[in-house]
Amino acid sequence: DQQVKQNSPSLSVQEGRISILNCDYTNSMFDYFLWYKKYPAEGPTFLISISSIKDKNEDGRFTVFLNKSAKHLSLHIVPSQPGDSAVYFCAASRQTGANNLFFGTGTRLTVIP
Amino acid sequence: GAVVSQHPSRVICKSGTSVKIECRSLDFQATTMFWYRQFPKQSLMLMATSNEGSKATYEQGVEKDKFLINHASLTLSTLTVTSAHPEDSSFYICSARGVRGSSYEQYFGPGTRLTVT
Repeated sequence: DQQVKQNSPSLSVQEGRISILNCDYTNSMFDYFLWYKKYPAEGPTFLISISSIKDKNEDGRFTVFLNKSAKHLSLHIVPSQPGDSAVYFCAASRQTGANNLFFGTGTRLTVIP
Repeated sequence: GAVVSQHPSRVICKSGTSVKIECRSLDFQATTMFWYRQFPKQSLMLMATSNEGSKATYEQGVEKDKFLINHASLTLSTLTVTSAHPEDSSFYICSARGVRGSSYEQYFGPGTRLTVT
C-alpha cells in the first residue's frame, strides 16, 4: 500500500527553466513532508521540508508547496541547473506519532545543459 | 550536514552465509537509527527502527530473526542478514536521527549494495 506516490518516474528540463516535481499522499494523518535528493549509489540527502501548518516553504532555488485539501505537494526548482540532475524522493511523516518516513518511488530529474 | 557512514559499500556473498552491515554517525550521537531497503525503481521501505540500548522495532513483514539489528552505542548500529538468499539482494540504507538534527530530519548513509549468489 503506497501511501506516498510520485506518478512521474522521470522529468527532463532545460537548464535555466523551472522543474516541478509532484507528490501525492493518501494518509490524512501525515503532517510533515520532506524532499530528498539522491545520486546513484548514495543515500538520500535532505533538501527541504514543510509542516502542514504552512502551504509554502522556500530555500534558495527550492520551494515546496503543500495543498492539504488535495493531499498534494510539489517541489519547484528555479532556475534548474545540470547539477540538480538526480532522483528526488518525497517523504511524509506524522509529527506526533511514529518515526517512520514514508517515501514515494522517486522522480528522476534530468537537467539538460 | 551530519555525516553517516556505512560499511561495506558493496558486498557479494554466497547463499546461506551471513553478512553484517555497519552504520555509523560520525559527528553526532544518534539516539535513533533506521534501516531501509530499496529494490530497483522502487521507494525506500523502512525495515526497522532501533533506539540505542533497546530492541529494534520491526515493520510488518520483516523477519526479525533474519535481519538482526543491534544498536549498541549512540554512534553505531549494525544489520546482520542471516542465512542470506538471492532474494535478499538489495540496496540497504541506514539513517540516523539524533541531537544534531531536527526532530524529523534523518541523515542517510550512502547505502550498501548486497548481492547474494
